[in-house]
Amino acid sequence: DAGVTQSPTHLIKTRGQQVTLRCSPKSGHDTVSWYQQALGQGPQFIFQYYEEEERQRGNFPDRFSGHQFPNYSSELNVNALLLGDSALYLCASRPQGAEETQYFGPGTRLLVL
Amino acid sequence: GQNIDQPTEMTATEGAIVQINCTYQTSGFNGLFWYQQHAGEAPTFLSYNVLDGLEEKGRFSSFLSRSKGYSYLLLKELQMKDSASYLCAVRPSNDYKLSFGAGTTVTVRA
Repeated sequence: DAGVTQSPTHLIKTRGQQVTLRCSPKSGHDTVSWYQQALGQGPQFIFQYYEEEERQRGNFPDRFSGHQFPNYSSELNVNALLLGDSALYLCASRPQGAEETQYFGPGTRLLVL
Repeated sequence: GQNIDQPTEMTATEGAIVQINCTYQTSGFNGLFWYQQHAGEAPTFLSYNVLDGLEEKGRFSSFLSRSKGYSYLLLKELQMKDSASYLCAVRPSNDYKLSFGAGTTVTVRA
């Protein structure tokens, strides 16, 4: 049983560019959350998707957007990249209603130059 | 907003015990999580507490006091592979997200 998978593992972009990160949740999981983790900090919640809808959003600007597909996979899009967007982007999945079983993917490390 | 505090760094000797404290002030409470994160890797789930008391899982134990807004993670019989960052996270009431502390870096010395 594959766990949460993310692609790509690493990415280098320049300021002003756009990026799309992808996540496939663990089998049987229908809820996907995205987190941003800057170096030396804890993960910060970006948003959560359930039933293809954004259910909750953290304190991130509209440059950060997402999508969930019918197969529960998800994308995170960031427009007009800033240097400060450099971070590890983590996807987490869990079954609906099972709060204690949240699993994180390996993350995508984004570097903005 | 949510406020979750944990020490920045701790150092201990192989075979010893280390206790990582976490205090939180959140808008309601619906569970506290501990995660382990090795450098450059994703957080991995260690424990989940929603009721007061001690939960034991092998060498790792987690304690919760909701009235004090306090938890600790106890690591026993430390091994070199336990060197990692340990993240405390709280799920507030009526909230879907986890709010994380900044993490405690534990270094195990031989």
